Amino acid sequence: NAGVTQTPKFRILKIGQSMTLQCTQDMNHNYMYWYRQDPGMGLKLIYYSVGAGITDKGEVPNGYNVSRSTTEDFPLRLELAAPSQTSVYFCASSLNRGDYGYTFGSGTRLTVV
Amino acid sequence: AQSVAQPEDQVNVAEGNPLTVKCTYSVSGNPYLFWYVQYPNRGLQFLLKYITGDNLVKGSYGFEAEFNKSQTSFHLKKPSALVSDSALYFCAVRPSNDYKLSFGAGTTVTVRA
Repeated sequence: NAGVTQTPKFRILKIGQSMTLQCTQDMNHNYMYWYRQDPGMGLKLIYYSVGAGITDKGEVPNGYNVSRSTTEDFPLRLELAAPSQTSVYFCASSLNRGDYGYTFGSGTRLTVV
Repeated sequence: AQSVAQPEDQVNVAEGNPLTVKCTYSVSGNPYLFWYVQYPNRGLQFLLKYITGDNLVKGSYGFEAEFNKSQTSFHLKKPSALVSDSALYFCAVRPSNDYKLSFGAGTTVTVRA
């Protein structure tokens, strides 16, 4: 059972470039989330989805976009990368509201130079 | 809006001594509280949760946490720390009628041999 899989693990982008962070889960979880982790700041919610075809903004959505065409996949798109988007990105999933906790991926470390 | 405070950036203890990691929260309505642990270059792992019932909850790896409603606290404890407990610990909260978790900034625990 793979859980939540994120790719790539590391990436360096130049300012203005775009990329997609991939996230897939095999637990048939309906809720999925994207967080970014910055030192001393904890995790901030970027976008979330309660099911295929449904997405909504979290605390820090600017500069990002998501889609949820299937239950399994929840890619995060960065358009026109900026240095402020240098961070570690985590995808997570939960069954319904996550009363039993979230399952997190291992993260993508992104540097924008 | 909900929020979590972890007042200590770092906690240092000797192996075999008790470990406490502090957490206070603010939320509208009944809180659902969680602790997660993050080892270097890994995603977050679920440790334990409080939803309802007994104020003392037990979780993975010998950890426990006590919910104190009057003090709006949910401190994480372990009676006898191990070197392998050295990691970054996150407290998280959400209202009972929502599913979006808010995380604290994290506390780095170092257990010395």
